[in-house]
Amino acid sequence: DAKTTQPPSMDCAEGRAANLPCNHSTISGNEYVYWYRQIHSQGPQYIIHGLKNNETNEMASLIITEDRKSSTLILPHATLRDTAVYYCIVRVPPYSGGGADGLTFGKGTHLIIQP
Amino acid sequence: DGGITQSPKYLFRKEGQNVTLSCEQNLNHDAMYWYRQDPGQGLRLIYYSQIVNDFQKGDIAEGYSVSREKKESFPLTVTSAQKNPTAFYLCASSTSRTEAYEQYFGPGTRLTVT
Repeated sequence: DAKTTQPPSMDCAEGRAANLPCNHSTISGNEYVYWYRQIHSQGPQYIIHGLKNNETNEMASLIITEDRKSSTLILPHATLRDTAVYYCIVRVPPYSGGGADGLTFGKGTHLIIQP
Repeated sequence: DGGITQSPKYLFRKEGQNVTLSCEQNLNHDAMYWYRQDPGQGLRLIYYSQIVNDFQKGDIAEGYSVSREKKESFPLTVTSAQKNPTAFYLCASSTSRTEAYEQYFGPGTRLTVT
């Protein structure tokens, strides 16, 4: 799996958009970008994933650069409940021929939403 | 409600004792996983199982054992051979039938060994 780099922490004001960057310059053509988050003392929660197109769901938007070497997770209207550690993960899903082994979690970005 | 349950939420043991952590899922997922998390760190994979009666070691399997006798259950035993067992343990499951391949996590068990 390709390595990812994320800032250790970020602040964002409540109600504003939170933009979390992730660098994955060694990503290969069949690797997807996944985002998870972990609220304190809970299990991680899947947010969104994408291959090369921008994606949006009810939780967030994912913007992937054209060269796929970086991506940004956008929480459009951050609330205090969005305070969590956000993990960016790159891998080939089993559906596309990857193994069903575990995810590799780095230290992620600790996003703090300020009131 | 479909999901993953782990019990207990907090567990205390004396050094030298084996302890088994429970993980049950009713999502009909084929694959199940055990992760360990230490303070301020990301998750590390202990064991995973893609199918009943089969499992593979993850990155830090030493001192742990698992079984997968039923699709719904994947218990983890922390043995006395594990040098630093105190940690937050997370169980997860997934299906390979969707592109998303999202893993669903349980609430975790916080194990303290003294």
